[in-house]
Amino acid sequence: EAEVAQSPRYKITEKSQAVAFWCDPISGHATLYWYRQILGQGPELLVQFQDESVVDDSQLPKDRFSAERLKGVDSTLKIQPAELGDSAMYLCASSLTLSPGEQYFGPGTRLTVT
Amino acid sequence: KQEVTQIPAALSVPEGENLVLNCSFTDSAIYNLQWFRQDPGKGLTSLLLIQSSQREQTSGRLNASLDKSSGRSTLYIAASQPGDSATYLCAVRRFQKLVFGTGTRLLVSP
Repeated sequence: EAEVAQSPRYKITEKSQAVAFWCDPISGHATLYWYRQILGQGPELLVQFQDESVVDDSQLPKDRFSAERLKGVDSTLKIQPAELGDSAMYLCASSLTLSPGEQYFGPGTRLTVT
Repeated sequence: KQEVTQIPAALSVPEGENLVLNCSFTDSAIYNLQWFRQDPGKGLTSLLLIQSSQREQTSGRLNASLDKSSGRSTLYIAASQPGDSATYLCAVRRFQKLVFGTGTRLLVSP
């Protein structure tokens, strides 16, 4: 069964360092999402891509976060510099199209900033 | 702004009980509602998706209902098992965005 892949699964970094996460969506899925989930809360959308274009990045803290999906397949989310408040689970999801439908989630990357 | 609330926040039941998890949302103009399961430290697994035109969906021991006009959904789990222990999240979709609740943490004891 096709799955969304994410790496690394766990990342510990010091405050002010740069960190990057990678996501490979299910093959053929045009829409890709990055979510942040703080412990005890539901996921919140950071950025959404349709192919290589950003559809919604209204909740992305653009002073320190960046995301790209250069060839419309896999994607990278970067934080620079990391802050203590960035400690969270970062989840990637994909769906076939922008039309309302099911989103499939990856296993997530657990980030701890010390 | 869409807000999604889940009650209860935590639930502990003995094995074999039938149980109901509740989800409410403030804006009824949604495309669909999705229920997810999340095991500790893991990603989300989709359980059921209900389109806005539907009233319920069933999968095995799970049944989800949707009352869009009142802004409510329920997830019914029949004959609960220890393997059902997890956090259950509901999410509503409007336009291109999923808005999640904070989840119900379920513990089923043997």
